[in-house]
Amino acid sequence: EPEVTQTPSHQVTQMGQEVILRCVPISNHLYFYWYRQILGQKVEFLVSFYNNEISEKSEIFDDQFSVERPDGSNFTLKIRSTKLEDSAMYFCASTPPWGSHNEQYFGPGTRLTVT
Amino acid sequence: DAKTTQPPSMDCAEGRAANLPCNHSTISGNEYVYWYRQIHSQGPQYIIHGLKNNETNEMASLIITEDRKSSTLILPHATLRDTAVYYCIARTQGGSEKLVFGKGTKLTVNP
Repeated sequence: EPEVTQTPSHQVTQMGQEVILRCVPISNHLYFYWYRQILGQKVEFLVSFYNNEISEKSEIFDDQFSVERPDGSNFTLKIRSTKLEDSAMYFCASTPPWGSHNEQYFGPGTRLTVT
Repeated sequence: DAKTTQPPSMDCAEGRAANLPCNHSTISGNEYVYWYRQIHSQGPQYIIHGLKNNETNEMASLIITEDRKSSTLILPHATLRDTAVYYCIARTQGGSEKLVFGKGTKLTVNP
């Protein structure tokens, strides 16, 4: 069964450094998302992406964050200058085309640790 | 999206049915009830969704009351691997619609 994959599984970085989290959504999906979950807290929406542009973003998704679909298969989340409070699990998700169930398929996540 | 209310935790014996309730008294006519679960630190997993009719798939059954103000997710024969946090989410069925997760119900299946 096709699945969303994410790399790396764990990323450790120093405060102020840039990180890029990578996701490969399911191949025929059209809508893409990033969520994050700080340890012990709720899963929070960051951004949705469709047709090569951002559809919606949350208050968390400030100028330090950006997303890109550089080559038609990868979907990346970049954090330009990481802060301690960016430490969290980051989940990528994708949704099939309109007309299907619209359930979101999540990847296994990337644990980001900012020191 | 309508707010949902779930008990923070529940226990269930292995092999028994697990019945997870959800209140969504302010749900609007075009909002579906979606259920996801998250097994420890993994990505959330879609379980089932419905509008007003009861639904069943290979994972679970969803019973929605006639007034649509509440629903129950039923895992008919819970196993230890069903131990997870279960989220009930009310949302419209749009392709770009984000999911708004609450705290969910932590279901513990005991041997």
